[in-house]
Amino acid sequence: SQQGEEDPQALSIQEGENATMNCSYKTSINNLQWYRQNSGRGLVHLILIRSNEREKHSGRLRVTLDTSKKSSSLLITASRAADTASYFCATALYNFNKFYFGSGTKLNVKP
Amino acid sequence: EAGVAQSPRYKIIEKRQSVAFWCNPISGHATLYWYQQILGQGPKLLIQFQNNGVVDDSQLPKDRFSAERLKGVDSTLKIQPAKLEDSAVYLCASSLGLADNSYNEQFFGPGTRLTVL
Repeated sequence: SQQGEEDPQALSIQEGENATMNCSYKTSINNLQWYRQNSGRGLVHLILIRSNEREKHSGRLRVTLDTSKKSSSLLITASRAADTASYFCATALYNFNKFYFGSGTKLNVKP
Repeated sequence: EAGVAQSPRYKIIEKRQSVAFWCNPISGHATLYWYQQILGQGPKLLIQFQNNGVVDDSQLPKDRFSAERLKGVDSTLKIQPAKLEDSAVYLCASSLGLADNSYNEQFFGPGTRLTVL
Protein backbone atom coordinates (compact mmCIF):
# COMPACT_ATOMS: atom_id res chain seq x y z
CA SER A 1 0.00 0.00 0.00
CA GLN A 2 1.16 3.52 -0.78
CA GLN A 3 -0.62 4.89 2.25
CA GLY A 4 1.36 7.26 4.42
CA GLU A 5 1.64 6.42 8.07
CA GLU A 6 1.87 9.12 10.71
CA ASP A 7 3.78 8.88 13.91
CA PRO A 8 2.94 9.32 16.73
CA GLN A 9 -0.73 8.36 16.68
CA ALA A 10 -1.42 10.81 19.50
CA LEU A 11 0.48 13.74 20.96
CA SER A 12 -0.33 15.89 23.96
CA ILE A 13 1.63 19.07 24.69
CA GLN A 14 1.31 22.34 26.56
CA GLU A 15 0.47 25.57 24.81
CA GLY A 16 3.63 27.28 23.62
CA GLU A 17 5.54 24.06 23.02
CA ASN A 18 6.48 22.75 19.60
CA ALA A 19 4.75 19.74 18.07
CA THR A 20 6.43 17.39 15.61
CA MET A 21 4.63 14.77 13.56
CA ASN A 22 6.18 12.34 11.13
CA CYS A 23 4.92 10.62 8.03
CA SER A 24 6.43 7.67 6.20
CA TYR A 25 5.41 6.32 2.80
CA LYS A 26 6.39 3.52 0.49
CA THR A 27 6.73 4.53 -3.16
CA SER A 28 7.85 7.50 -5.22
CA ILE A 29 5.67 10.54 -4.96
CA ASN A 30 5.03 13.75 -6.88
CA ASN A 31 4.28 15.71 -3.74
CA LEU A 32 3.24 15.31 -0.14
CA GLN A 33 0.57 17.35 1.56
CA TRP A 34 -0.45 17.91 5.15
CA TYR A 35 -4.05 18.42 6.20
CA ARG A 36 -5.74 19.33 9.46
CA GLN A 37 -9.11 18.08 10.61
CA ASN A 38 -10.90 19.61 13.53
CA SER A 39 -13.32 17.39 15.38
CA GLY A 40 -16.38 16.65 13.26
CA ARG A 41 -15.31 18.80 10.34
CA GLY A 42 -13.83 18.46 6.87
CA LEU A 43 -10.12 18.51 6.15
CA VAL A 44 -8.23 21.72 5.55
CA HIS A 45 -5.11 21.85 3.42
CA LEU A 46 -2.08 23.18 5.31
CA ILE A 47 0.95 22.86 3.10
CA LEU A 48 2.25 21.08 0.01
CA ILE A 49 5.86 20.10 -0.56
CA ARG A 50 7.01 18.83 -3.93
CA SER A 51 9.38 15.91 -4.37
CA ASN A 52 12.25 18.21 -5.41
CA GLU A 53 11.88 20.37 -2.30
CA ARG A 54 13.45 19.60 1.05
CA GLU A 55 11.89 22.15 3.36
CA LYS A 56 8.98 24.53 3.30
CA HIS A 57 7.59 27.08 5.73
CA SER A 58 4.15 28.58 6.19
CA GLY A 59 3.61 30.75 9.23
CA ARG A 60 4.21 28.55 12.27
CA LEU A 61 4.43 25.42 10.12
CA ARG A 62 7.63 23.85 8.88
CA VAL A 63 7.59 20.78 6.68
CA THR A 64 10.58 18.71 5.65
CA LEU A 65 10.76 15.98 3.06
CA ASP A 66 13.44 13.30 2.77
CA THR A 67 12.76 11.31 -0.38
CA SER A 68 15.69 8.97 0.26
CA LYS A 69 14.08 7.90 3.53
CA LYS A 70 10.55 8.31 2.17
CA SER A 71 9.55 10.40 5.13
CA SER A 72 8.26 13.84 6.00
CA SER A 73 7.83 15.79 9.18
CA LEU A 74 5.48 18.58 10.18
CA LEU A 75 6.61 20.97 12.90
CA ILE A 76 4.16 23.36 14.52
CA THR A 77 6.00 25.97 16.55
CA ALA A 78 4.61 27.83 19.55
CA SER A 79 1.48 25.71 19.58
CA ARG A 80 -1.90 27.11 20.58
CA ALA A 81 -5.01 25.46 21.98
CA ALA A 82 -6.64 26.12 18.59
CA ASP A 83 -4.09 23.78 16.98
CA THR A 84 -5.84 20.86 18.68
CA ALA A 85 -6.91 18.64 15.77
CA SER A 86 -5.97 15.55 13.80
CA TYR A 87 -3.20 15.97 11.27
CA PHE A 88 -2.93 13.82 8.16
CA CYS A 89 -0.27 13.47 5.54
CA ALA A 90 -1.37 12.66 1.99
CA THR A 91 0.98 11.37 -0.64
CA ALA A 92 0.27 12.30 -4.25
CA LEU A 93 1.49 10.02 -6.98
CA TYR A 94 2.54 11.19 -10.42
CA ASN A 95 -0.45 9.87 -12.27
CA PHE A 96 -3.61 11.90 -12.20
CA ASN A 97 -3.59 13.26 -8.71
CA LYS A 98 -4.00 9.98 -6.86
CA PHE A 99 -3.83 10.66 -3.17
CA TYR A 100 -3.37 8.37 -0.23
CA PHE A 101 -4.01 9.51 3.31
CA GLY A 102 -2.40 8.16 6.43
CA SER A 103 -4.20 7.35 9.65
CA GLY A 104 -3.35 10.67 11.27
CA THR A 105 -1.80 12.12 14.41
CA LYS A 106 -4.20 13.39 17.02
CA LEU A 107 -2.72 16.52 18.59
CA ASN A 108 -4.00 17.89 21.87
CA VAL A 109 -2.66 21.26 22.97
CA LYS A 110 -3.45 21.98 26.59
CA PRO A 111 -3.99 25.63 27.58
CA GLU B 1 -15.13 31.63 -3.90
CA ALA B 2 -17.70 29.05 -2.80
CA GLY B 3 -16.32 25.85 -1.31
CA VAL B 4 -17.27 22.25 -1.91
CA ALA B 5 -20.90 21.68 -1.04
CA GLN B 6 -22.29 18.40 0.24
CA SER B 7 -25.73 17.27 1.26
CA PRO B 8 -27.20 16.01 3.42
CA ARG B 9 -24.97 16.70 6.40
CA TYR B 10 -26.40 13.85 8.42
CA LYS B 11 -28.31 10.71 7.51
CA ILE B 12 -29.60 7.86 9.63
CA ILE B 13 -30.92 4.75 7.91
CA GLU B 14 -31.54 1.13 8.70
CA LYS B 15 -29.42 -1.62 7.23
CA ARG B 16 -30.50 -2.81 3.80
CA GLN B 17 -31.93 0.61 2.97
CA SER B 18 -30.43 2.77 0.25
CA VAL B 19 -28.95 6.24 0.56
CA ALA B 20 -27.51 8.87 -1.78
CA PHE B 21 -25.10 11.70 -1.18
CA TRP B 22 -24.60 14.74 -3.34
CA CYS B 23 -21.51 16.84 -3.97
CA ASN B 24 -21.00 20.10 -5.84
CA PRO B 25 -17.29 20.80 -6.32
CA ILE B 26 -15.61 24.16 -6.66
CA SER B 27 -16.30 25.68 -10.05
CA GLY B 28 -13.64 24.80 -12.58
CA HIS B 29 -12.21 21.88 -10.64
CA ALA B 30 -11.73 18.93 -12.95
CA THR B 31 -10.96 16.30 -10.34
CA LEU B 32 -13.52 15.09 -7.82
CA TYR B 33 -12.93 12.57 -5.05
CA TRP B 34 -15.20 10.63 -2.71
CA TYR B 35 -13.66 9.40 0.53
CA GLN B 36 -14.98 7.25 3.33
CA GLN B 37 -13.69 8.13 6.79
CA ILE B 38 -14.46 5.71 9.58
CA LEU B 39 -14.18 7.11 13.08
CA GLY B 40 -10.56 7.29 14.20
CA GLN B 41 -9.12 6.55 10.78
CA GLY B 42 -7.82 8.54 7.86
CA PRO B 43 -9.90 9.14 4.73
CA LYS B 44 -10.01 6.19 2.35
CA LEU B 45 -10.42 7.00 -1.32
CA LEU B 46 -13.51 5.38 -2.80
CA ILE B 47 -13.56 6.87 -6.26
CA GLN B 48 -11.81 9.60 -8.21
CA PHE B 49 -13.19 11.36 -11.29
CA GLN B 50 -11.30 13.42 -13.83
CA ASN B 51 -14.06 15.48 -15.46
CA ASN B 52 -16.75 12.83 -16.00
CA GLY B 53 -14.41 9.87 -16.34
CA VAL B 54 -13.40 7.49 -13.56
CA VAL B 55 -9.66 7.54 -12.79
CA ASP B 56 -9.64 5.18 -9.84
CA ASP B 57 -12.39 3.14 -8.23
CA SER B 58 -10.27 0.26 -7.01
CA GLN B 59 -11.47 0.62 -3.40
CA LEU B 60 -15.14 1.14 -4.19
CA PRO B 61 -17.27 -1.85 -3.08
CA LYS B 62 -19.00 -2.07 -6.41
CA ASP B 63 -21.57 -4.62 -5.28
CA ARG B 64 -23.26 -1.95 -3.20
CA PHE B 65 -21.66 1.42 -3.94
CA SER B 66 -22.03 3.41 -7.12
CA ALA B 67 -21.07 6.92 -8.13
CA GLU B 68 -21.53 9.14 -11.11
CA ARG B 69 -20.46 12.55 -12.23
CA LEU B 70 -22.72 13.50 -15.06
CA LYS B 71 -21.51 16.43 -17.17
CA GLY B 72 -18.30 16.53 -15.18
CA VAL B 73 -19.64 18.80 -12.44
CA ASP B 74 -21.90 17.53 -9.63
CA SER B 75 -21.55 14.01 -8.34
CA THR B 76 -23.68 11.54 -6.43
CA LEU B 77 -22.57 8.57 -4.38
CA LYS B 78 -25.10 5.83 -3.67
CA ILE B 79 -25.12 2.89 -1.29
CA GLN B 80 -27.61 0.12 -1.91
CA PRO B 81 -28.15 -1.84 0.29
CA ALA B 82 -26.39 -0.31 3.28
CA LYS B 83 -24.60 -2.39 5.88
CA LEU B 84 -23.74 -1.56 9.47
CA GLU B 85 -20.07 -1.18 8.56
CA ASP B 86 -20.93 1.62 6.13
CA SER B 87 -21.42 3.96 9.09
CA ALA B 88 -18.84 6.66 8.46
CA VAL B 89 -18.35 10.20 7.25
CA TYR B 90 -18.40 10.50 3.47
CA LEU B 91 -16.19 13.30 2.27
CA CYS B 92 -16.17 14.89 -1.13
CA ALA B 93 -13.15 16.84 -2.33
CA SER B 94 -12.15 18.58 -5.53
CA SER B 95 -8.94 19.87 -7.06
CA LEU B 96 -7.93 21.72 -10.19
CA GLY B 97 -6.82 18.47 -11.76
CA LEU B 98 -3.91 19.82 -13.74
CA ALA B 99 -1.97 17.24 -15.67
CA ASP B 100 1.06 18.17 -13.60
CA ASN B 101 -0.39 17.66 -10.16
CA SER B 102 2.42 19.43 -8.34
CA TYR B 103 0.06 22.18 -7.30
CA ASN B 104 -3.12 20.25 -6.84
CA GLU B 105 -4.29 20.66 -3.30
CA GLN B 106 -7.65 19.19 -2.44
CA PHE B 107 -10.52 21.21 -1.09
CA PHE B 108 -12.89 19.24 1.10
CA GLY B 109 -16.55 19.59 1.77
CA PRO B 110 -17.99 19.32 5.31
CA GLY B 111 -18.91 15.66 4.80
CA THR B 112 -22.03 13.60 5.32
CA ARG B 113 -22.19 11.61 8.53
CA LEU B 114 -23.98 8.34 7.84
CA THR B 115 -25.30 6.13 10.63
CA VAL B 116 -26.60 2.70 9.69
CA LEU B 117 -28.72 1.05 12.37
